[in-house]
Amino acid sequence: GENVEQHPSTLSVQEGDSAVIKCTYSDSASNYFPWYKQELGKRPQLIIDIRSNVGEKKDQRIAVTLNKTAKHFSLHITETQPEDSAVYFCAASRGNQFYFGTGTSLTVIP
Amino acid sequence: GAVVSQHPSWVICKSGTSVKIECRSLDFQATTMFWYRQFPKQSLMLMATSNEGSKATYEQGVEKDKFLINHASLTLSTLTVTSAHPEDSSFYICSAPDYPAYNEQFFGPGTRLTVL
Repeated sequence: GENVEQHPSTLSVQEGDSAVIKCTYSDSASNYFPWYKQELGKRPQLIIDIRSNVGEKKDQRIAVTLNKTAKHFSLHITETQPEDSAVYFCAASRGNQFYFGTGTSLTVIP
Repeated sequence: GAVVSQHPSWVICKSGTSVKIECRSLDFQATTMFWYRQFPKQSLMLMATSNEGSKATYEQGVEKDKFLINHASLTLSTLTVTSAHPEDSSFYICSAPDYPAYNEQFFGPGTRLTVL
């Protein structure tokens, strides 16, 4: 099956700085890569996603890049704010089954 | 977007009892639902795929007799933790993909199970 690795596991940045989270996947057939934000005790919320036919996607302060050849994709958050503090998960999917990365706990220091 | 609900949101039970958790898609049909387990500060671990009208598919290492899954209708899947023990205490989350496009997963709010 699919194996998704995510780094770093924890990340602290100063408010206003950028944060980058990286994921790798093993199944070359995976074609959909969403990113989720999860606050403590709450459900994961989709924040951005990318499909295998696209190399980069941006939505305001959030961007995702995908390198299919290397099988890795990254989440970029610019101008971080305290409310960005949460756990972020990447996932790789083929069809309707999703496999999640191990998560990154992001802390934005005011 | 689509809404998935879970019930109960929090349950405490004694060791040896069974607990049923419901996952409902409120405004769409879900032929497939997924059950995840999440330990504190850890990722979502896929436990099983619940299929309407057929048996669930369990991930390696997940005991199917321990975690009974029933996909009774196109909007309801249930997870029953049988003979619960303290090590079963966890956060259980279900999700359902939007059918038939399968473009996105919609997550339930989760159920926190505490086994005393």
